[in-house]
Amino acid sequence: GAGVSQSPSNKVTEKGKDVELRCDPISGHTALYWYRQSLGQGLEFLIYFQGNSAPDKSGLPSDRFSAERTGGSVSTLTIQRTQQEDSAVYLCASSSQGQGTGELFFGEGSRLTVL
Amino acid sequence: DQQVKQNSPSLSVQEGRISILNCDYTNSMFDYFLWYKKYPAEGPTFLISISSIKDKNEDGRFTVFLNKSAKHLSLHIVPSQPGDSAVYFCAASESGNNRLAFGKGNQVVVIP
Repeated sequence: GAGVSQSPSNKVTEKGKDVELRCDPISGHTALYWYRQSLGQGLEFLIYFQGNSAPDKSGLPSDRFSAERTGGSVSTLTIQRTQQEDSAVYLCASSSQGQGTGELFFGEGSRLTVL
Repeated sequence: DQQVKQNSPSLSVQEGRISILNCDYTNSMFDYFLWYKKYPAEGPTFLISISSIKDKNEDGRFTVFLNKSAKHLSLHIVPSQPGDSAVYFCAASESGNNRLAFGKGNQVVVIP
């Protein structure tokens, strides 16, 4: 499809397990973002990739969270040793330029439930 | 800390009437503001934006007003339609910073 694709759409895991969430951005978009939305909260910035530059990881809540973007396209967000407070919808977005001047295109999100 | 605040989490309005959503921000360095709309089980979609050099931007039924001195912006939808029923997020950014700060969202229900 032409939009941002995320998988899985739903993931239920046990506390302490590792999870990987995948994002396939819009073709040609150089910027990729991960946000999460916990229940009753706004969208919380996690990490930002722009081209070949070093990613802005300043929003990652702990060292259990990491993300990579291979070949400037697909990105994987990894959460190690998941905790119940990690339960949220994880949203990926891409844009053709750095945000502030361009809109973000969001995927449908990956809903993570940690039991 | 919440740099972008949306109070009044839900709003019900009759079809054809005006919907007004409010947003306050605390960071005086923000110079670009956006509204996103979100339907259930979908990602947010861009609706309208405004730069800090303007105080109003209009796009069809949607108008965003910015009051920099009050650090306040609002989204007006007129006339409201049932398809406008969604959650609306206010977002803001500052030049040179690649993160958007989002509010918690406002649920709008348009009653036919």
